[in-house]
Amino acid sequence: QVQLQESGPGLVKPSETLSLTCSVSGGSMNYYYWSWIRQPPGKGLEWIGFIYYTGGTDYNPSVKSRATISIDTSKNQVFLKLTSLTPADTAMYYCARGDPLDYWGRGALVTVSS
Amino acid sequence: SSELTQDPAVSVALGQTVRITCQGDTLRSTYASWYQQKPGHAPVVVMFHKNTRPSGIPDRFSGSSSGNTASLTITGAQAEDEADYYCYSRDSSGLHRVFGGGTKLTVL
Repeated sequence: QVQLQESGPGLVKPSETLSLTCSVSGGSMNYYYWSWIRQPPGKGLEWIGFIYYTGGTDYNPSVKSRATISIDTSKNQVFLKLTSLTPADTAMYYCARGDPLDYWGRGALVTVSS
Repeated sequence: SSELTQDPAVSVALGQTVRITCQGDTLRSTYASWYQQKPGHAPVVVMFHKNTRPSGIPDRFSGSSSGNTASLTITGAQAEDEADYYCYSRDSSGLHRVFGGGTKLTVL
């Protein structure tokens, strides 16, 4: 059974950089897209971007200048870096496999506050 | 605002049929997938490639598409179907991905 687990700091200060890790178990990373999605409290889902297992990426234009997604298939991990954080980046951050998105992690809550 | 438009809220009587729709120009040429999200939980895919159900999804869920509209139909809605539903597809550029704004389904 494929499982994804997000990890990272729960609290980040404004203007700082968020670094999240998605650890994948129970399956290969090969031949899949790996996405990051976020959901502000009480709001809908927002696609941040994805990376193909070979390293090609695509991003939501709304965050493109601040987001970087990378992958380490040898460690079965996907990474998200989001710079210049503001309180508007407070959200549950999910990683998910595939396109469409067939497996999701449980999410990591990130609060941006001083 | 999302390039995929969903009704914010829909209600259905227990055991009746409900259709949740998703409108967007890109849906004329590409499929949407559908995700169910219950409070406090991650989304779960319930439909993809227009009308393919992942294993474990009840057959009361079905999908369809016509013109610029994708639909998720629940035939004989159950109390456990009460959730938020999101569609997901490509944006108008055809390159990026986008979610609809979500539909809150209430089962009465």
